[in-house]
Amino acid sequence: GENVEQHPSTLSVQEGDSAVIKCTYSDSASNYFPWYKQELGKGPQLIIDIRSNVGEKKDQRIAVTLNKTAKHFSLHITETQPEDSAVYFCAASRGDYKLSFGAGTTVTVRA
Amino acid sequence: DAGVIQSPRHEVTEMGQEVTLRCKPISGHNSLFWYRQTMMRGLELLIYFNNNVPIDDSGMPEDRFSAKMPNASFSTLKIQPSEPRDSAVYFCASRGSGATEAFFGQGTRLTVV
Repeated sequence: GENVEQHPSTLSVQEGDSAVIKCTYSDSASNYFPWYKQELGKGPQLIIDIRSNVGEKKDQRIAVTLNKTAKHFSLHITETQPEDSAVYFCAASRGDYKLSFGAGTTVTVRA
Repeated sequence: DAGVIQSPRHEVTEMGQEVTLRCKPISGHNSLFWYRQTMMRGLELLIYFNNNVPIDDSGMPEDRFSAKMPNASFSTLKIQPSEPRDSAVYFCASRGSGATEAFFGQGTRLTVV
């Protein structure tokens, strides 16, 4: 099955700086890569996703890049704000099949 | 739409008791997932239903766990008998036909003492 590894496990950044989280996956057939944000006491919420036919996608301060050859993808958050503090999960799947999640990254934005 | 609705939000039970977790997926969604979240193991998929049929239950830990989806608007996850190591947050998620985004509920925090 799919194995997703995520690094780092914790990340502390100064407000206004950028944050980068990296993930690798094992199944070359995976073609869908979402990122979820989980706030305390809540369920994971999709913030951005990318499909294997695209190398990069941006949505305001958030961007995701995908390298299919190396089987890794990354989340970039620019101009971080205190409300960006949360746990972020990467995931991978074969489109309409089940999602396999990374272990999560706890991001803390220092004011 | 109210999103994916799970109940109860919190459950505390004694070891050996039966526990039933409930989920109402988003109306019109035809895929439903049960996940378990712990500090040690992260988010683990327990079971995946498509059109009310279990497609993949390889993540169900053991025979003490069972899940049903009697109709498109309701699913249950049952643990009998419960054990302290079952303590975790259990999430239900649903997804629409042909879609890739899965929407999660708020979760049920289960504590078995």
